[in-house]
Amino acid sequence: AQSVAQPEDQVNVAEGNPLTVKCTYSVSGNPYLFWYVQYPNRGLQFLLKYITGDNLVKGSYGFEAEFNKSQTSFHLKKPSALVSDSALYFCATTGGSTLGRLYFGRGTQLTVWP
Amino acid sequence: EAGVTQSPTHLIKTRGQQVTLRCSPISGHTSVYWYQQALGLGLQFLLWYDEGEERNRGNFPPRFSGRQFPNYSSELNVNALELEDSALYLCASSLPLGGYGYTFGSGTRLTVV
Repeated sequence: AQSVAQPEDQVNVAEGNPLTVKCTYSVSGNPYLFWYVQYPNRGLQFLLKYITGDNLVKGSYGFEAEFNKSQTSFHLKKPSALVSDSALYFCATTGGSTLGRLYFGRGTQLTVWP
Repeated sequence: EAGVTQSPTHLIKTRGQQVTLRCSPISGHTSVYWYQQALGLGLQFLLWYDEGEERNRGNFPPRFSGRQFPNYSSELNVNALELEDSALYLCASSLPLGGYGYTFGSGTRLTVV
């Protein structure tokens, strides 16, 4: 079965510092990987995806993620965090025999303090 | 282009009642997915419909059911509501097999009292 793991429930970072939100995956076959962000009482907003091609993927709001096949990781990064980046971040995957259904991590609460 | 729309946005039901939630996908998307986000439990997969057929089902009891209409809109029905059904219910849509991207609606907040 496909799965993703987000090892940190919370990440705290100062505004202006770089941020990383970690994600590892387990997928049979080629993975399709996604990052979504959720603000309080809202739906999920798409940030970026990896399907194939360059390992460094650039997305919305200055976020990027690096696909690392050897480490089965897809960490979300941003060079300079903003207070407005504070939200709940979800990593997700689909692929293999269950291509279509999205499997989500537990989510990581990012707090950027001024 | 209109996004994924869900209705209603909020509702309150009494334990034992039945509820129907609705979702309209993005134009051109044929797959619809339903997720439950209960407090502290993350995103739990409920159902996946494509071309009117149920493609996959999560680990939920049969009182959770749904359907997809010829225009690809979808309904989620929950019978015999229990307090633990209180959650944000999210709908997403995609092209067939979804691998190229999913768009989520803003959700329906269900409170069971």
